[in-house]
Amino acid sequence: GQQLNQSPQSMFIQEGEDVSMNCTSSSIFNTWLWYKQDPGEGPVLLIALYKAGELTSNGRLTAQFGITRKDSFLNISASIPSDVGIYFCAGQQLSGAGSYQLTFGKGTKLSVIP
Amino acid sequence: NAGVTQTPKFRVLKTGQSMTLLCAQDMNHEYMYWYRQDPGMGLRLIHYSVGEGTTAKGEVPDGYNVSRLKKQNFLLGLESAAPSQTSVYFCASSRRSYNEQFFGPGTRLTVL
Repeated sequence: GQQLNQSPQSMFIQEGEDVSMNCTSSSIFNTWLWYKQDPGEGPVLLIALYKAGELTSNGRLTAQFGITRKDSFLNISASIPSDVGIYFCAGQQLSGAGSYQLTFGKGTKLSVIP
Repeated sequence: NAGVTQTPKFRVLKTGQSMTLLCAQDMNHEYMYWYRQDPGMGLRLIHYSVGEGTTAKGEVPDGYNVSRLKKQNFLLGLESAAPSQTSVYFCASSRRSYNEQFFGPGTRLTVL
């Protein structure tokens, strides 16, 4: 199957610092999505990107859809303790069966030191 | 609205036993999905359904069966559990395949 290369795998940062993570792929995607997963919970959508070059913000989060449609990054500014969790990128594209499917990255585990 | 719910939350099986995981959604979504999440692997699609009475294979379907007899429910079955099926299973639903997927809280399954 297709693969998304998400980096870094894990990060330890001080509260207040900015965070950056990214995803790259050899495949083109129609949509890029960023999810956050808290311990013991399912992933929750943070940001969705629909056009190449699109830059979208959601509070302290900013994400961009790469111009080649093969990559995306997520920035978190002024991190706080509740930002702790695993962040997943996901690329969406039309499958051979005619419906859109998601391919997930392996996640970036974020730890915030108060 | 409860959103997407999953039953049970935890389960331990012995090799060869069977079980069914239940997913229910109250958002009237057409599409439903089953994923498995393994450490360091992200989420991988097992099976999905584009509507009541229809199912299709995802990336890792072997060893699993699914049924969608009612629009709001999507069942994942393991006929003969194997240790390799130890994982956290997530159900998700979406209005259409290109819409946001909403995830349930997960079922942690251990096969001994």
